[in-house]
Amino acid sequence: QKEVEQNSGPLSVPEGAIASLNCTYSDRGSQSFFWYRQYSGKSPELIMFIYSNGDKEDGRFTAQLNKASQYVSLLIRDSQPSDSATYLCAVNRGTNFGNEKLTFGTGTRLTIIP
Amino acid sequence: GAGVSQTPSNKVTEKGKYVELRCDPISGHTALYWYRQSLGQGPEFLIYFQGTGAADDSGLPNDRFFAVRPEGSVSTLKIQRTERGDSAVYLCTPRYSSGTEQFFGPGTRLTVL
Repeated sequence: QKEVEQNSGPLSVPEGAIASLNCTYSDRGSQSFFWYRQYSGKSPELIMFIYSNGDKEDGRFTAQLNKASQYVSLLIRDSQPSDSATYLCAVNRGTNFGNEKLTFGTGTRLTIIP
Repeated sequence: GAGVSQTPSNKVTEKGKYVELRCDPISGHTALYWYRQSLGQGPEFLIYFQGTGAADDSGLPNDRFFAVRPEGSVSTLKIQRTERGDSAVYLCTPRYSSGTEQFFGPGTRLTVL
């Protein structure tokens, strides 16, 4: 079992719809969770992070965390063609002041269809 | 990205050669991480520096890989006797004292022929 699992996609979503990206992780000791967006040929760009169970909203993005079920998701509302990218889920076992090495999934490729 | 430069941006080398990849963050950071990203994969942790010392080098694949950060700022990742499987994008990530989130530099794309 991989430590962080994501559906590789591609996930195709019509423009204006909600894109839902999911991620599961195996280490119950994981404490912080991150979503990165990566355009082709570019380095990953942090878009959301979440530490506590529940929802966290930032603009069109909502991260959802359920530690009991060991999953974290990212919702993108009003999807735009510019949202087309690979979305990487990452988890960290450490505390805020500890070793913060991240374990990444392989990413989900999202395509927004105009 | 995020106040860090990486040089070179692209490096093509032949199998068996030695390469050095440099990460130059702006001041104000407390720690520095190296990751590598192979094609179709997520970034993979290599090594983490706190100050001048390597706090965790558990991700280095083997003893051909070595990294230094002699003055607590610029870091160099060194790869000896390169192999084709070393081909990847090598990403440097500083951590700033004002935050806990990691932002990646632009990366060095290494191609071993």
